[in-house]
Amino acid sequence: SQQGEEDPQALSIQEGENATMNCSYKTSINNLQWYRQNSGRGLVHLILIRSNEREKHSGRLRVTLDTSKKSSSLLITASRAADTASYFCATGRSNDYKLSFGAGTTVTVRA
Amino acid sequence: DGGITQSPKYLFRKEGQNVTLSCEQNLNHDAMYWYRQDPGQGLRLIYYSQIVNDFQKGDIAEGYSVSREKKESFPLTVTSAQKNPTAFYLCASSIDTGDTQYFGPGTRLTVL
Repeated sequence: SQQGEEDPQALSIQEGENATMNCSYKTSINNLQWYRQNSGRGLVHLILIRSNEREKHSGRLRVTLDTSKKSSSLLITASRAADTASYFCATGRSNDYKLSFGAGTTVTVRA
Repeated sequence: DGGITQSPKYLFRKEGQNVTLSCEQNLNHDAMYWYRQDPGQGLRLIYYSQIVNDFQKGDIAEGYSVSREKKESFPLTVTSAQKNPTAFYLCASSIDTGDTQYFGPGTRLTVL
């Protein structure tokens, strides 16, 4: 079952622009994670934000979490061609063994 | 891709055959997972293991089997009972369940 739903499904931007994608989920969570997947490759963990946190930064990445709206956003600033990938959010719940992944947002950065 | 390896990278299977996908990790992680990814979709959990000699079914376990005889290894067998096995298979591990997961590079299985 997919708890996380990313929006938009696809995003095309010019190099240097910012990219924003959103994730909504349905039930209470312990943490929310963002992963990146380059075409035909495995997923790479980007950032984890816990339910008691509202914002987190890692390099050019900024993640926000609004538990009242059950939503999160991932902002990539000053995008580069190498940021072209699919981005997935995944939610973890207390006393649950698994992460629930959304269908992802495909980001294309044009040179 | 961290300390997780998957082999082979590409695998072709004839209908009716069982095939086994390898997953090995040297991260000393207790938990390991198998996911299936179809084009344009997210990951669906097939099986997971929290500890050696223990594993549990995920959301789509039918037609698959696993074993966890060693901490480092979690092989997945795709049996002939799996009616639509063509997909990209990803293995992952984590220190504990619910934590950050580290993924292998994946195996693309095609049924001929």
